[in-house]
Amino acid sequence: EAQVTQNPRYLITVTGKKLTVTCSQNMNHEYMSWYRQDPGLGLRQIYYSMNVEVTDKGDVPEGYKVSRKEKRNFPLILESPSPNQTSLYFCASSLSLNSPLHFGNGTRLTVT
Amino acid sequence: QQPVQSPQAVILREGEDAVINCSSSKALYSVHWYRQKHGEAPIFLMILLKGGEQKGHDKISASFNEKKQQSSLYLTASQLSYSGTYFCGTVTDSWGKLQFGAGTQVVVTP
Repeated sequence: EAQVTQNPRYLITVTGKKLTVTCSQNMNHEYMSWYRQDPGLGLRQIYYSMNVEVTDKGDVPEGYKVSRKEKRNFPLILESPSPNQTSLYFCASSLSLNSPLHFGNGTRLTVT
Repeated sequence: QQPVQSPQAVILREGEDAVINCSSSKALYSVHWYRQKHGEAPIFLMILLKGGEQKGHDKISASFNEKKQQSSLYLTASQLSYSGTYFCGTVTDSWGKLQFGAGTQVVVTP
């Protein structure tokens, strides 16, 4: 089944404890992206990757890192999480920027 | 800068029509439309490309006005299943940013 898989679905952690949210797609998509969703603010782009060689910042990259070592995986890394990073996170992928985005099921992160 | 969606929310009765607007401060390469049900991931509805024609999917269609840097989503003869939050996503350059609006909550009542 074609899908974008995110793990974990739920995560509660403490301030400053490094964490990684994994994202994997099995559709051979070039484009991958991370979004955070907060009430009233919609989906805000954190980082995106046009292909394995090109990764760049979105609108809210502060406090996040990403890695695209292979086409299928695009993990989101929080080196030192803070409470303002409590949010719902979505990974998404597509063939290209002008193709439909396929979203993962989301990761609900709580930082205390 | 994120695109601006309007209205923020709309309540419809089954069978009624609605329009959701999406405006950008920059020239648009393409516009995406997605619908999200509560607790679920957004689902793709359609993409409108620069220079392309109006798209349609069942009784949901959209238009793209390049000069006005706007897109509109039309919900025709709404059904209960149309309830959810609708997001437009805009591509304003070829570098990779796909920015979403804050969303429009649609509630369709019997």
